[in-house]
Amino acid sequence: EVQLVESGGGLVQPGGSLRLSCAASGFTFSTYAMTWVRRTPGKGLEWVSEISGSGGDRHYAESVKGRFTISRDNSKNTVFLQMNSLRAEDTATYYCAKDVAVGGSWGVFDYWGQGTQVTVSS
Amino acid sequence: DIVMTQSPDSLAVSLGGRATINCKSSQSLSYSLNNKNYLVWYQQKPGQPPKLLIYWASTRESGVPDRFSGSGSGTDFTLTISSLQAEDVAVYYCQQYYTTPRTFGQGTKVEIK
Repeated sequence: EVQLVESGGGLVQPGGSLRLSCAASGFTFSTYAMTWVRRTPGKGLEWVSEISGSGGDRHYAESVKGRFTISRDNSKNTVFLQMNSLRAEDTATYYCAKDVAVGGSWGVFDYWGQGTQVTVSS
Repeated sequence: DIVMTQSPDSLAVSLGGRATINCKSSQSLSYSLNNKNYLVWYQQKPGQPPKLLIYWASTRESGVPDRFSGSGSGTDFTLTISSLQAEDVAVYYCQQYYTTPRTFGQGTKVEIK
């Protein structure tokens, strides 16, 4: 059974940092691209970043480029999102999601974690 | 970036009735080499993560009831729930995967009338 479990969310002041983790199980982790998507009450779902199975190919939303870094440790079946210079508008529930494509990146997400809440406020 | 616009923002449908959600993209999502449309639909219920319903605009994910169907091509797409059930109350999102950044519609909230 595929499972994705996020952790690392919390309350942080503007300008602060957080590192989100997503522990995966139930599939051959290194053969699938992974993605972070966030949901805010006002804006709905927003794609944040994705990383290829090998970790060599990474993409970011313009809104987080230069502040967030996605990475993965295939030996630990975990994907990370390092978030720096956090702003109030980064407040959201952050989901990690698995891509459907074996060995590639379609941008279609068949499994999602339950999400972790990030709140940026002073 | 490709802008995805859904309509309506919300709709209320009687149990057993038909729900129709539209999604329009700012540029074509149809790739000429394979004639596929890079459009996916998700369902998100309160307190739950999104669930994949339909990809390639009209291919139903395994296990999704056949009352859910997708149609459309190019820039105009539709998700139809043919006979609304109580468990279908949710927010529905379209998303393009033609290119990065992947972009979502703003969501359509479906309720029972």
